Amino acid sequence: DAKTTQPTSMDCAEGRAANLPCNHSTISGNEYVYWYRQIHSQGPQYIIHGLKNNETNEMASLIITEDRKSSTLILPHATLRDTAVYYCIVRVAGNQAGTALIFGKGTTLSVSS
Amino acid sequence: GAVVSQHPSWVICKSGTSVKIECRSLDFQATTMFWYRQFPKQSLMLMATSNEGSKATYEQGVEKDKFLINHASLTLSTLTVTSAHPEDSSFYICSVTNEQFFGPGTRLTVL
Repeated sequence: DAKTTQPTSMDCAEGRAANLPCNHSTISGNEYVYWYRQIHSQGPQYIIHGLKNNETNEMASLIITEDRKSSTLILPHATLRDTAVYYCIVRVAGNQAGTALIFGKGTTLSVSS
Repeated sequence: GAVVSQHPSWVICKSGTSVKIECRSLDFQATTMFWYRQFPKQSLMLMATSNEGSKATYEQGVEKDKFLINHASLTLSTLTVTSAHPEDSSFYICSVTNEQFFGPGTRLTVL
């Protein structure tokens, strides 16, 4: 799986949009971009994933650049409960059984009031 | 999506004892489950892949005789930490399915 690069930490004010960047310049054509987050002392939580089109769900939006070498996770209205470590992971589509996720160090997002 | 539970959520044991951690997939039959561990202020590290009805596959550096994995059914995988020592204190997390739904984790503290 391709390697990703994320900033170590970011701060965001409550109610503002949090934009978390991820670089994945070596991504292959069949690799998706997945985002997960881990709130302190909990298991990771799936957020969103995409191949090349922008994606949106109830949690967040994912913007992938046209060349697919980077992406941004957007939390439109951050709350204190969004404080967590956010992981950007590039991998082949999830319909291939038996492949585990490889976690990098992620971005620690701190949302403050 | 899959709902995954782990038991216990936390455990404290004495050095030299064995501890069993259960991972259950509540609404999904999982032929494959994954075990991770996470030390303080570090990221998740894959320990092993648990395969229903066959032997687990361990990552490099993980002792298979120390971390016994049993995946006897499609909804249950167990991780037994044998002869636990303080350096085994960690947060152990399991996951199932290709979308990688995770359990809530088990905090192991070895005294």
